Amino acid sequence: DVKVTQSSRYLVKRTGEKVFLECVQDMDHENMFWYRQDPGLGLRLIYFSYDVKMKEKGDIPEGYSVSREKKERFSLILESASTNQTSMYLCASSFGTGLFRNTIYFGEGSWLTVV
Amino acid sequence: DQQVKQNSPSLSVQEGRISILNCDYTNSMFDYFLWYKKYPAEGPTFLISISSIKDKNEDGRFTVFLNKSAKHLSLHIVPSQPGDSAVYFCAASNNNAGNMLTFGGGTRLMVKP
Repeated sequence: DVKVTQSSRYLVKRTGEKVFLECVQDMDHENMFWYRQDPGLGLRLIYFSYDVKMKEKGDIPEGYSVSREKKERFSLILESASTNQTSMYLCASSFGTGLFRNTIYFGEGSWLTVV
Repeated sequence: DQQVKQNSPSLSVQEGRISILNCDYTNSMFDYFLWYKKYPAEGPTFLISISSIKDKNEDGRFTVFLNKSAKHLSLHIVPSQPGDSAVYFCAASNNNAGNMLTFGGGTRLMVKP
């Protein structure tokens, strides 16, 4: 089974703090993603990476950055957390090529509250 | 501008009946469609998919129908079970543009015993 592990399930941070969300996958997937889920807005892509040290902006990258130093690990960074970044954050991964390249596998999510 | 829309935020169905979840898209370049299911406090899990070369794909109680001319897809669950109660997201991708998934806003399905 594919395993995508997000290190923190629930976090409470103060406005202005720097926040790190860590994600590890064990399937040797080329692609990794960070989404946020908000009611009525579905899943919105923040950043993705198709290879080590490569990153691409998604639909809502403002206020976020990412790091992919190793193939299995993809980190989301909130440089200065704000209350509008309170949300559920979902990490995902997928193969880069092949029949199942479209199917992405999600972690369990990280609930971030910024106060 | 949302390219994938799920216009019903919620749906309530009696156990044993059919659940029909709908999804509309605007980008005619989408050629692969997926449904994901999400329970509270968990990540979404892949449910079923369909390529644009087909108009139907079936997997047990779940069937996805695709109407390309109407840019519409639907997920049918027959018979519905209380354990099906979850949020369902449809997603679409364009295989000629990097396979990125675009998700709809989700529909919360409640199956009543």
